Amino acid sequence: ETGVTQTPRHLVMGMTNKKSLKCEQHLGHNAMYWYKQSAKKPLELMFVYNFKEQTENNSVPSRFSPECPNSSHLFLHLHTLQPEDSALYLCASSQEQGGVETQYFGPGTRLLVL
Amino acid sequence: GQNIDQPTEMTATEGAIVQINCTYQTSGFNGLFWYQQHAGEAPTFLSYNVLDGLEEKGRFSSFLSRSKGYSYLLLKELQMKDSASYLCAVRDSNYQLIWGAGTKLIIKP
Repeated sequence: ETGVTQTPRHLVMGMTNKKSLKCEQHLGHNAMYWYKQSAKKPLELMFVYNFKEQTENNSVPSRFSPECPNSSHLFLHLHTLQPEDSALYLCASSQEQGGVETQYFGPGTRLLVL
Repeated sequence: GQNIDQPTEMTATEGAIVQINCTYQTSGFNGLFWYQQHAGEAPTFLSYNVLDGLEEKGRFSSFLSRSKGYSYLLLKELQMKDSASYLCAVRDSNYQLIWGAGTKLIIKP
């Protein structure tokens, strides 16, 4: 049990659907992250939030929209996705302490876009 | 550009020792992480190296040479449950984590 939960664990959606991924961390951390993990590729950082403020957006298409209402919850809103967006979406959290923090991951949402 | 290289897949025998290498070229260095990821599960933290040398933690050890841009993860007394992917990640000068694609380790009886 890593203290970071994600729902749903699996999601199948059409290209015209709108869905949201949810992440919750129970570790008291102040930073949260969204990553995309595709087969045999490095983890791709999508968004970073520190103290609920977005500090990183790595050129992610606007069809992905993050939301961080508080330091424990993070959402990823999805709309008009493409089949190439099918991947494992991982959420992570950490306690920012001047750069030596360790990131703790949730189990991910396996997304399939048809 | 920034790059992390590690073998795509390795196979080892139960009870044996395996070394998973990671080489990196990054803009600056502020530490190297190893994570373990079982299929369908979250990556979990294994080790952190920021100074040269060997860090031992039970059956797992991690080594770092900053001058060579090189690290390895050493797994001893392999068990079937060690079958997983092992991810190497380096924190660069901007404190961003640069990730390798992971090494899938297959343990055979």
